[in-house]
Amino acid sequence: GAVVSQHPSRVICKSGTSVKIECRSLDFQATTMFWYRQFPKKSLMLMATSNEGSKATYEQGVEKDKFLINHASLTLSTLTVTSAHPEDSSFYICSAREMLLGAAGELFFGEGSRLTVL
Amino acid sequence: TQLLEQSPQFLSIQEGENLTVYCNSSSVFSSLQWYRQEPGEGPVLLVTVVTGGEVKKLKRLTFQFGDARKDSSLHITAAQPGDTGLYLCAGSATGTYKYIFGTGTRLKVLA
Repeated sequence: GAVVSQHPSRVICKSGTSVKIECRSLDFQATTMFWYRQFPKKSLMLMATSNEGSKATYEQGVEKDKFLINHASLTLSTLTVTSAHPEDSSFYICSAREMLLGAAGELFFGEGSRLTVL
Repeated sequence: TQLLEQSPQFLSIQEGENLTVYCNSSSVFSSLQWYRQEPGEGPVLLVTVVTGGEVKKLKRLTFQFGDARKDSSLHITAAQPGDTGLYLCAGSATGTYKYIFGTGTRLKVLA
């Protein structure tokens, strides 16, 4: 299957700093990528839809100035957690759909990035 | 806002038992997917269903999409310890391209 890679897999930062997480589709092109947040032992919560070449679409309740998303190419989307606080600590997961397969296509998930804010 | 409720939330069973996980919503979905997730990893797709009433089988796993495309079920026959994990349904509403995940069912199969 297709491969989506996230980096870093783990990051620890001090409160007030910004952290960037990268999501790459390694062997396919993805016009749309999705960013999810997952709390311990909970399900995935969709944060935003990242569209190549345009602004991300954020879900209700997600602060766009807090979670900056950039989708600069068909294979790369980044999530920047700005001025991170301990409550931002979480498991962040990206996913991508191969652009030709449409809504019924499989979502390929990255390995996830565990953020810990001290 | 779409809401996908899964039941049960937690399930601990003995090896060899059967189980069913339910995924229910008031919304109609154009497609629904089931995923399994291991701790610290991303979810892995098990199946996609798109037609109301559709039944798909994957070895010991049987997936059904409700006739009205508002609900789905996952049945596991003769569960094994390797089936342990978090099971997630995810639905995509008609006219959208994003998937919303269900509340999750955490399964533990004891040897």
